[in-house]
Amino acid sequence: QVQLVESGGGVVQPGRSLRLSCVTSGFTFSSYGMHWVRQAPGKGLEWVAVIYYDGSNKYYADSVKGRFTISRDNSKSTLYLQMNSLTAEDAAVYYCARGSYYFDAWGQGLLVTVSS
Amino acid sequence: EIVLTQSPATLSLSPGERATLSCRASQTVSRYLAWYQQKPGQAPRLLIYDTSNRATGIPARFSGSGSGTDFTLTISSLEPEDFAVYYCLQRTMWPMYTFGQGTKLLIK
Repeated sequence: QVQLVESGGGVVQPGRSLRLSCVTSGFTFSSYGMHWVRQAPGKGLEWVAVIYYDGSNKYYADSVKGRFTISRDNSKSTLYLQMNSLTAEDAAVYYCARGSYYFDAWGQGLLVTVSS
Repeated sequence: EIVLTQSPATLSLSPGERATLSCRASQTVSRYLAWYQQKPGQAPRLLIYDTSNRATGIPARFSGSGSGTDFTLTISSLEPEDFAVYYCLQRTMWPMYTFGQGTKLLIK
């Protein structure tokens, strides 16, 4: 079955960096656009970034543009999110999600805490 | 940016009752609107896409309608497992997706 498993979260100091990974299985990863979506504690959902199926195009929410980088390795069926210059506003559960148009499969979520 | 406003913020109903959730867009999103269900500690689950299409495995008691700026998610007869938070999502301004703030469906 379709599985998306995130890793790499944790506690990080403000201004530091963190890299999230999302290992997928059960579908042809290289055929799908992939996204990161986040949810601050007790808050709603916020789309963060998308990458085309072949990695040729990437787009970001204004709130993370210039600080976050989405990438993928189709040979490993893995999605990444490099997060730099983290602030308290970036603290959230981060989900990887599959979908060229809508997010039709999600990982279990990964907590990122930004604290000194 | 397209803003999605969901109402009500909280809805208290009993199992077996009909639930009607609303999502209003600040400008037209055509039919490019989806609904998600999220239970505590879980990832969201796609229920409805493109206004009225049920996602794979979603029961027929869930239906969506609307167009332009006004959309509705209807649950015809609530089951105990339906009590959750529901979000709408627009993709008209792809890739600049926006979610509504959510409606919490509580057991009365």
